[in-house]
Amino acid sequence: EAGVTQFPSHSVIEKGQTVTLRCDPISGHDNLYWYRRVMGKEIKFLLHFVKESKQDESGMPNNRFLAERTGGTYSTLKVQPAELEDSGVYFCASSAEGRAYGYTFGSGTRLTVV
Amino acid sequence: AQRVTQPEKLLSVFKGAPVELKCNYSYSGSPELFWYVQYSRQRLQLLLRHISRESIKGFTADLNKGETSFHLKKPFAQEEDSAMYYCALSGQGKAAGNKLTFGGGTRVLVKP
Repeated sequence: EAGVTQFPSHSVIEKGQTVTLRCDPISGHDNLYWYRRVMGKEIKFLLHFVKESKQDESGMPNNRFLAERTGGTYSTLKVQPAELEDSGVYFCASSAEGRAYGYTFGSGTRLTVV
Repeated sequence: AQRVTQPEKLLSVFKGAPVELKCNYSYSGSPELFWYVQYSRQRLQLLLRHISRESIKGFTADLNKGETSFHLKKPFAQEEDSAMYYCALSGQGKAAGNKLTFGGGTRVLVKP
């Protein structure tokens, strides 16, 4: 079975630009999660989708971040406008049961804002 | 608030030596604890969880509720154990049980 796919693997953008990250979960996994690790800090939860609905978006840092999961399949995370402090690695994970132990992580997108 | 602390950013050991990665947590309730590992150029993957109480790749971890710790141990480190290790917890209940709180990670370097 294909794993969780994220792209791009690496993105370098200028401050003020817009970037869209994409995550394709494992087929049939209703639960999709976004996490990020900014430089020198812990990996932190951003939000959780169940199918197309946002179950928990308590970790979204501000309104420059917009996550969508139209149709309950792939998800996008848009940062607009990007700031320097948004640089980091953005991880996506999916699970069938919606429990933390069932996560499968993607390989991450490294975002660099210059 | 829940928190996971990994006090060591880097652990360097020789092959065959024991290795212990420390993890302390704070959580008002009964959390579920995990160790995740990320090998070079690979994705983050679950190494073990406290509920399963099993040994994976020679690693074990015991949950000590009195000391709120979940240290990861291996008696004889191998070069292939070199990786980034993250301790994480999730809470009880439908909402809390879904998301993970991670520690800052410990990089393990096993020297030949």
